[in-house]
Order: sequence, then structure tokens, then C-alpha cells
Amino acid sequence: GNSVTQMEGPVTLSEEAFLTINCTYTATGYPSLFWYVQYPGEGLQLLLKATKADDKGSNKGFEATYRKETTSFHLEKGSVQVSDSAVYFCALSGPYSGGGADGLTFGKGTHLIIQP
Amino acid sequence: DVKVTQSSRYLVKRTGEKVFLECVQDMDHENMFWYRQDPGLGLRLIYFSYDVKMKEKGDIPEGYSVSREKKERFSLILESASTNQTSMYLCASTLGTGGADTQYFGPGTRLTVL
Repeated sequence: GNSVTQMEGPVTLSEEAFLTINCTYTATGYPSLFWYVQYPGEGLQLLLKATKADDKGSNKGFEATYRKETTSFHLEKGSVQVSDSAVYFCALSGPYSGGGADGLTFGKGTHLIIQP
Repeated sequence: DVKVTQSSRYLVKRTGEKVFLECVQDMDHENMFWYRQDPGLGLRLIYFSYDVKMKEKGDIPEGYSVSREKKERFSLILESASTNQTSMYLCASTLGTGGADTQYFGPGTRLTVL
């Protein structure tokens, strides 16, 4: 079945540091890949996504590239801010699907703490 | 903006009670989903629905059922609540254009079963 592996943390960085959160996956077929973010006290929201190999998703200074050869979708940001403190989830579409709907398979989440 | 609302932010129930968690979306989305979120386990799919009265099992359907009588509303039912169903429950919806659809999440319901 599908699975997603990501570092759980917490990951603690200083403001303006470079961020990498690793994500690797196992899946059949050609899933779409996502990063969702959960800020304290809020629901999950989409950060970025990529739908096919070599696509790069980007948003709010974050980027991730869909690497089929290494089955990876690592999240990066060049200079983090205190406001980036949150839990980040890597996810892929499937394997539960029906009627055109795809449930997501999530990683366990990475808690990111940015210190001033 | 898409809005997904859940009936309660916090709920406390007793073992054996029947529990209803309600989710409503206001953007005419085709698909709706129920996940549970547990520390160290991430989110796991319970059930989803791609049309009124249609439902499909996810990863962990045991002990749960769902109902979708209207397009905008998707209910999760715990027929006889147990302590191992204490969790955060998240509802989501998608427009219905395929696997790359963005899932829009509600704020979650934290359920405690005593």
C-alpha cells in the first residue's frame, strides 16, 4: 500500500536559517504529492503540490520538487521566519479512491519551531 | 473562500454512547472526507463520499459509519463510542476534478470518550 515517511521532529531552527524537511514515499502508479501545514490552533491548509515527475510546487517561499527516481518530495525554504512555526505534513493521493475522489495518505507530521 | 465547518470544536462522551460528528461545506464540492489525527500517527482516512448517498471505506473504517443525505453535509457516526476513539477528527472536501484536487479542511473536533 501507499506510505509516506518524514522526520517527526521537533525541528528547531533560528530565524533566517535554511530549512529542509525530508519526505519519501511508496506508492503504486503516479500519485500527486502535497505539503499541508497546520498552524497552532488551526485546521490543515494546502501549502503546495505537484502532480507529475519533475514538477516543482512553490508557495510563500517554500518549494518542493517531485522526484520520481528517488521517490522524494523534500520541502525547502531559504530563510525561515518565526511565523513559519507549525506542523508540516507530506501527503500523496490514494490509494483509496472511488467516483473520482482520492483520499490522501499522510506522513506523521514534522513539528517545526523557529526561534527569534 | 471555501469554508468547511464542523459542528463542535470539543466534545466529551461516555463509552457506549452514539456520537454524531457533522461537517458542512459551502462551495458545492463533490467529495467529502473524514480523517482522524493522532500524535505520532498523522492523519488516517476513515471514510469518504463522492456523491450523495455514496460512501467508500478508507484506511480505518471499523467502528465508524457515515451518512451523506445532502451534498453539502457529511456526518461521521460512532455507533457505540469507545475510549480508543478519543482523537481529533478532521473533515475535508474537494471540488471533484481528480486526484490532484486541493483538500479543504475544517477546524477539527476533539472528541474525548470517557
